[in-house]
Amino acid sequence: GQNIDQPTEMTATEGAIVQINCTYQTSGFNGLFWYQQHAGEAPTFLSYNVLDGLEEKGRFSSFLSRSKGYSYLLLKELQMKDSASYLCAVRDGDYKLSFGAGTTVTVRA
Amino acid sequence: ETGVTQTPRHLVMGMTNKKSLKCEQHLGHNAMYWYKQSAKKPLELMFVYNFKEQTENNSVPSRFSPECPNSSHLFLHLHTLQPEDSALYLCASSSSTGAGANVLTFGAGSRLTVL
Repeated sequence: GQNIDQPTEMTATEGAIVQINCTYQTSGFNGLFWYQQHAGEAPTFLSYNVLDGLEEKGRFSSFLSRSKGYSYLLLKELQMKDSASYLCAVRDGDYKLSFGAGTTVTVRA
Repeated sequence: ETGVTQTPRHLVMGMTNKKSLKCEQHLGHNAMYWYKQSAKKPLELMFVYNFKEQTENNSVPSRFSPECPNSSHLFLHLHTLQPEDSALYLCASSSSTGAGANVLTFGAGSRLTVL
């Protein structure tokens, strides 16, 4: 089966930077996604990586290393509204999407 | 109304009840999905429909019965559920599946509690 690991919880201060790591072992690879999910709300798409390197989108950046089976989501200039769960998801060789359990980020004033 | 809409948002049912969850998307997508989200666990894919045809049943117990009358609507019929089926059920849609699959758009979910 697919194995996707990410930390359960992280806490950071408003204005700081937080890096959420995701490691994966899947049968094939066709892209990695990051989603944000606020409590009681729908997961929303943040980023997509299929090639190695860094994708930057405003305060959020996502990095991928296919050879290491590793990705991270970088959140800069943290705001209180960034408190949420962040889900790492990998599309495998059969184009099926598997999710990690999510990382709950708490931003403190 | 845009996006993916799920009803009801909250549902409490007994183990002998029959109820249904509804999902509707107004995005023009062709693929629709049911996921189960339990606390501290990864999202579990349950069913996939592509152009109204079921293309994936991820070994889901028969007490969960999906129905997709058209590309915009998806139902999950529930009967004789167990307490361990209590979870958040998320519906999602995308423009296609397989090699052409792109980003999933999720609904806010239906929170199910089985007593």
